[in-house]
Amino acid sequence: AQSVTQLDSQVPVFEEAPVELRCNYSSSVSVYLFWYVQYPNQGLQLLLKYLSGSTLVKGINGFEAEFNKSQTSFHLRKPSVHISDTAEYFCAVSALNNAGNMLTFGGGTRLMVKP
Amino acid sequence: KAGVTQTPRYLIKTRGQQVTLSCSPISGHRSVSWYQQTPGQGLQFLFEYFSETQRNKGNFPGRFSGRQFSNSRSEMNVSTLELGDSALYLCASSLDESPTNEKLFFGSGTQLSVL
Repeated sequence: AQSVTQLDSQVPVFEEAPVELRCNYSSSVSVYLFWYVQYPNQGLQLLLKYLSGSTLVKGINGFEAEFNKSQTSFHLRKPSVHISDTAEYFCAVSALNNAGNMLTFGGGTRLMVKP
Repeated sequence: KAGVTQTPRYLIKTRGQQVTLSCSPISGHRSVSWYQQTPGQGLQFLFEYFSETQRNKGNFPGRFSGRQFSNSRSEMNVSTLELGDSALYLCASSLDESPTNEKLFFGSGTQLSVL
């Protein structure tokens, strides 16, 4: 089984400041890693994913994440945030040996960008 | 191309009733997954259907069931509703051309309120 911990439930930050949203996972098997974003009253949208290869992954809207296997982490970063980045962010994992689409999500981090 | 469509958008039921939610995946997608989102438990996987067969199942009681039709549209049913079933129910579809969660497309969800 897998579990995902997002260490911060809320992250307030000023516009144009850098931000890091933290994600740690636990799994007995190798996993794929994902970050999703949810805007108010909407479904989830994929920001980026790590399947294999380079541990630094670039996604949409200027976000990037780094996979650290030894620390079992997949932190999300953006060098300069905008007001429009205000949303809830979810880290998720999927086991490599799972035949299908089944994600385990973290509890979410609410990013609040202030002017 | 139309996105994932979930109907109805909002639903109010009373305890003991049953409810059916509908999900139309993106055209050509054969995998449909369902998730329950609540403030307390976060996002939890319910089940996944692929080519009319349940491929994965989460840890929910038997009151929660689903099915998929030959056109890939899916329905989920909750019988004998409880107050704790109040949640946003999200549906996600995938092309599923490989055995990984390459990319899930989420609908905007059905907000179920149980009174």
